[in-house]
Amino acid sequence: IAGITQAPTSQILAAGRRMTLRCTQDMRHNAMYWYRQDLGLGLRLIHYSNTAGTTGKGEVPDGYSVSRANTDDFPLTLASAVPSQTSVYFCASSPGTGNTGELFFGEGSRLTVL
Amino acid sequence: GQNIDQPTEMTATEGAIVQINCTYQTSGFNGLFWYQQHAGEAPTFLSYNVLDGLEEKGRFSSFLSRSKGYSYLLLKELQMKDSASYLCAVMDSNYQLIWGAGTKLIIKP
Repeated sequence: IAGITQAPTSQILAAGRRMTLRCTQDMRHNAMYWYRQDLGLGLRLIHYSNTAGTTGKGEVPDGYSVSRANTDDFPLTLASAVPSQTSVYFCASSPGTGNTGELFFGEGSRLTVL
Repeated sequence: GQNIDQPTEMTATEGAIVQINCTYQTSGFNGLFWYQQHAGEAPTFLSYNVLDGLEEKGRFSSFLSRSKGYSYLLLKELQMKDSASYLCAVMDSNYQLIWGAGTKLIIKP
């Protein structure tokens, strides 16, 4: 089934540890995004990539990094996790080289930092 | 700053009609989007408005007034499966989506 796959689905992590959330899509979409979703807040953009080889910072990029070596994969890395990074993380993609607004989301990765 | 406002929670009865409002203040406007998100699941795209007026798609309709910075999502013939959160998002002048916190819709039999 075509779509976006995220891993892990859920993870508990000690503060200070490094963590990479994986995101793979098979729809050949150019643009990909990482959002975090926290209770009472709207989705907040962490990083994005309009096409393979390029990345950009979103609204809340501090403490996170991304890479886009190819069209399909867009991993998000927390270099040294802190409790405020406890959240649900969604990877998304959209066709075209920019944001069309119609995003396709993965099922999310629930991260708890203790 | 940029701001999207929508009610936190609404309750409606199965078979009825409900209107979920969204007001926005953003730097530029390149479209307004509604997404549905069931608990514990990913958001899914519902509708898109860029011009004033009503867009109808089956039981769901979305309205936009750019001069008032206002939109609503209208759900007709409510079904229990419509229980979900509804997210309003506006694309700003930088083509980034600004998201509201979502409206949790509870459907009662």
